Amino acid sequence: NAGVMQNPRHLVRRRGQEARLRCSPMKGHSHVYWYRQLPEEGLKFMVYLQKENIIDESGMPKERFSAEFPKEGPSILRIQQVVRGDSAAYFCASSQPGPSTDTQYFGPGTRLTVL
Amino acid sequence: SQKIEQNSEALNIQEGKTATLTCNYTNYSPAYLQWYRQDPGRGPVFLLLIRENEKEKRKERLKVTFDTTLKQSLFHITASQPADSATYLCALYSSASKIIFGSGTRLSIRP
Repeated sequence: NAGVMQNPRHLVRRRGQEARLRCSPMKGHSHVYWYRQLPEEGLKFMVYLQKENIIDESGMPKERFSAEFPKEGPSILRIQQVVRGDSAAYFCASSQPGPSTDTQYFGPGTRLTVL
Repeated sequence: SQKIEQNSEALNIQEGKTATLTCNYTNYSPAYLQWYRQDPGRGPVFLLLIRENEKEKRKERLKVTFDTTLKQSLFHITASQPADSATYLCALYSSASKIIFGSGTRLSIRP
């Protein structure tokens, strides 16, 4: 019964490159959330997705950032033309559909470093 | 604007004592509040959830209170152990299943 999987765990990119972060939710979970965490700071909500739908992207920057959760396969957070300020830990969480959507289960995170 | 505040200073507690962490919020009327634990280099782990109509919730050595009048939650760890050392995050359900996190309080339990 695997938990939330994220890969890669560490990603290094140069300024201007693209970063792709993957998240496989827990089995049976169809809700995925992405968060960003800077050192010594809390988690900042970015986007909430259900299968093939973006439900809430109010925390995601309008430019360069996009997210998807296709019918098959993992959820992808894509950052185009990365800048140094994008360096952070990106966490994915998943939850079950239905009334018990209260608890989110987090993955180990992807640490993005932009050189 | 909506705000969640946790004690930004680290909390140092002697082993065996009770650790109490505070979470205050403004401009929210959350349906429920959660506490998570986060260890360095890892994702948060869910600990407890308390609903707006509940005053107190317990789980083993953990106790959470929720005062919607004061807009405050307290998180207690009794008989604290060095293994309890971690950062503890308070989180509020905002809307559309969006959870807003506080910045966390770092707890250190010294032997």
